[in-house]
Amino acid sequence: DAKTTQPPSMDCAEGRAANLPCNHSTISGNEYVYWYRQIHSQGPQYIIHGLKNNETNEMASLIITEDRKSSTLILPHATLRDTAVYYCIVRAGSGNTGKLIFGQGTTLQVKP
Amino acid sequence: KAGVTQTPRYLIKTRGQQVTLSCSPISGHRSVSWYQQTPGQGLQFLFEYFSETQRNKGNFPGRFSGRQFSNSRSEMNVSTLELGDSALYLCASSSYSSGGSTGELFFGEGSRLTVL
Repeated sequence: DAKTTQPPSMDCAEGRAANLPCNHSTISGNEYVYWYRQIHSQGPQYIIHGLKNNETNEMASLIITEDRKSSTLILPHATLRDTAVYYCIVRAGSGNTGKLIFGQGTTLQVKP
Repeated sequence: KAGVTQTPRYLIKTRGQQVTLSCSPISGHRSVSWYQQTPGQGLQFLFEYFSETQRNKGNFPGRFSGRQFSNSRSEMNVSTLELGDSALYLCASSSYSSGGSTGELFFGEGSRLTVL
């Protein structure tokens, strides 16, 4: 699985959009980009994933560049409850495995 | 639908002892994965079980083992505990749709092990 690079920390004002970047320059054609987050002392929570098209769900949007070497997770209206560590993960194939390689993630602090 | 349940939530052991942690996946999920989380190493994959067979293993010593039962419940065992085994142990379950790319893992709240 390809390696990902994320900034260690970011701040965001409550109510504003939070844009979390991720670099995955060695991503292969069959690898998906997944995002999880972990709120303090809880298990990680799935947010969204994509292959090459932009994706949106009720939690967030995922923007993947055309060359697929980077992506951005967008939380459109951040709240204090979005304060968490966000993990960008690249994963091979159709996802038929429970093995995820977590990096250090980005600690997002949403401030009032 | 009940989530992933892990027991016990907290436990304290001493060096040299062994520990068994339990995980009940979401009903219908056949895959169970285990992760270790420490402040220094972050989240690390331990192993994965699918239909009672281990099909992926992380880079951990043989003191770490696991198994899965026919009802998909899983246990992991750590023998001869060391101080460095103090960690949050997380279990995740997943239901794979054939030909799809869901691959979403559902994590439990974890079992926090302290080794003294």
